[in-house]
Amino acid sequence: SYVLTQPPSVSVAPGKTARITCERNNIGSKTVHWYQQKAGQAPVLVVHYDSERPSGIPERFSGSNSGNTATLTISRVEAGDEADYYCQLWDSSSDLWVFGGGTKLTVL
Amino acid sequence: EVQLVQSGAEVKKAGESLKISCQGSEYTFRKYWIGWVRQMSGKGLEWMGAIYPGDSEIRYSPSFQGQVTISADKSISTAFLQWSSLKASDTAMYYCARNQERVDASDIWGQGTMVIVSS
Repeated sequence: SYVLTQPPSVSVAPGKTARITCERNNIGSKTVHWYQQKAGQAPVLVVHYDSERPSGIPERFSGSNSGNTATLTISRVEAGDEADYYCQLWDSSSDLWVFGGGTKLTVL
Repeated sequence: EVQLVQSGAEVKKAGESLKISCQGSEYTFRKYWIGWVRQMSGKGLEWMGAIYPGDSEIRYSPSFQGQVTISADKSISTAFLQWSSLKASDTAMYYCARNQERVDASDIWGQGTMVIVSS
């Protein structure tokens, strides 16, 4: 199966750390990417190749991937980080791309 | 600046056909996959399929196979998504995005094309 499971929502206070998970059996053997989508805008890549930041993305955004869980971590959360976040990977066995269901990050 | 520019919003009736476009600029279009992503109102991103303009290889999600057709014209650096007979359930925002290799992330996205289908 190529289903990626994300929590529907995560809430965090400003200045704290948010962790958004993406689960699938043995996801650690895959390469995971993360996108941020703010309301009314196209998605933006924030982490690729599990843990690398594209140019222009703040160091507060980081990623990890091991076992059955990939994680996007946002440190020192700001109000401007409020958005939907999606994990994505290419499934080599099916030769298809797949997105997780998305997680709405709310900054309290 | 590398960018993908999509065609404008469409309002159609059920049963009509439609072809929307995604034009790349400032990069070698034929060397990157162009994927199409659907987002229904208030819902998540759904990968529909992708094309590699260099050799026209196409991959479809099983959920969209037979429902849409993906194509590209590398001479004008443009990819297309088309429907032969729209349904009301096709109402959504559609994004195109590029990635160089299958395993790579989609680093550049189009601005989206809103498609509204009335029944």
